[in-house]
Amino acid sequence: DSGVTQTPKHLITATGQRVTLRCSPRSGDLSVYWYQQSLDQGLQFLIQYYNGEERAKGNILERFSAQQFPDLHSELNLSSLELGDSALYFCASSATGTVNTEAFFGQGTRLTVV
Amino acid sequence: GQQVMQIPQYQHVQEGEDFTTYCNSSTTLSNIQWYKQRPGGHPVFLIQLVKSGEVKKQKRLTFQFGEAKKNSSLHITATQTTDVGTYFCAGAHSSASKIIFGSGTRLSIRP
Repeated sequence: DSGVTQTPKHLITATGQRVTLRCSPRSGDLSVYWYQQSLDQGLQFLIQYYNGEERAKGNILERFSAQQFPDLHSELNLSSLELGDSALYFCASSATGTVNTEAFFGQGTRLTVV
Repeated sequence: GQQVMQIPQYQHVQEGEDFTTYCNSSTTLSNIQWYKQRPGGHPVFLIQLVKSGEVKKQKRLTFQFGEAKKNSSLHITATQTTDVGTYFCAGAHSSASKIIFGSGTRLSIRP
């Protein structure tokens, strides 16, 4: 158990809909990262937050947004969903958010868009 | 943009054979991390290399960071079925603020 909690584990929704994925980082970790992993693909970095502020942005679509709340949990909002958005979405957390800090991954949320 | 290339994409070996995966960057990396993702699981941190030419070992796993800090490798000696999974490298470029994952190498093993 990495200590990072993601909910829900599975999500099935229709095209055009909006969903929210939730992540609770490890106790004490200030930074949260979101990644997208499509079938048989690598990990595509979406966005990073550190102590409530956006720290770094990757290949995140405009239809996607995220935020980190004062209690440090984070939410990833995906809107106007398309079939191609079906993927495993991972949240990871780290203590300091610097690039030389180990990241701990959650179990992921598997999103299926039908 | 800045990328970390990883090869091979797949490797299928007989149990007991060795396995190596390689990561390459066109620019210097400040550090490189290695993660393992078991089938159906999530990535788990294995190790981090920071120094030029650094070599670290974890039992049958040997990790190397190149002298120029542009490449890295993970070598597994005498693979076992428990080694099955996808191995990712993740590098940070000195001037960047985010870590970039390689595409991963999926290791499968014939018993």
